[in-house]
Amino acid sequence: ETGVTQTPRHLVMGMTNKKSLKCEQHLGHNAMYWYKQSAKKPLELMFVYNFKEQTENNSVPSRFSPECPNSSHLFLHLHTLQPEDSALYLCASSQDPRGTGTVYGYTFGSGTRLTVV
Amino acid sequence: GNSVTQMEGPVTLSEEAFLTINCTYTATGYPSLFWYVQYPGEGLQLLLKATKADDKGSNKGFEATYRKETTSFHLEKGSVQVSDSAVYFCALRNNDMRFGAGTRLTVKP
Repeated sequence: ETGVTQTPRHLVMGMTNKKSLKCEQHLGHNAMYWYKQSAKKPLELMFVYNFKEQTENNSVPSRFSPECPNSSHLFLHLHTLQPEDSALYLCASSQDPRGTGTVYGYTFGSGTRLTVV
Repeated sequence: GNSVTQMEGPVTLSEEAFLTINCTYTATGYPSLFWYVQYPGEGLQLLLKATKADDKGSNKGFEATYRKETTSFHLEKGSVQVSDSAVYFCALRNNDMRFGAGTRLTVKP
């Protein structure tokens, strides 16, 4: 248990479905992140939230919609996905990078393995 | 910009062999440097870190030294075990984290 909990661990969804991934941390961190990890590709940063405000969106298609209702919870809403969206989706949290925050690493969840059929 | 380059894998070693995974970086200012490990079916776990030049991070027999003159942060372990089989990621943090592509290590008995 890392302190960052992701649910579900596995998800199979059809291309017309709507589903959501959930991430929760109670480490007192105020920055949260979504990453996509595909086979044989580098980690792809998708979204960044600092103090509940989205500060980065790396040209992610609109079929992925993030939501951060508070500093402890992060969601990724999915709709009309494509088979190439099948991947491991990782959530991470960290201290605010401002000031001395960069000395802190990220804490990752175990990920959600998503399969789009 | 900030970026990390690490040696491509896969790396295959016999148990008790010496491990080196090379990592070099490009950055402005004074980043912190990290090594993460990812075991099958899991997320990334922080293995060790160094926050300033000449610092040595160490954990579980792994070590890495922050070398500003060569902009490197190579990961080493003197005697690997089968349980060390995983993917290893080098990373730097100036603001947000930048990860390398990962190096898969397989240790055979």
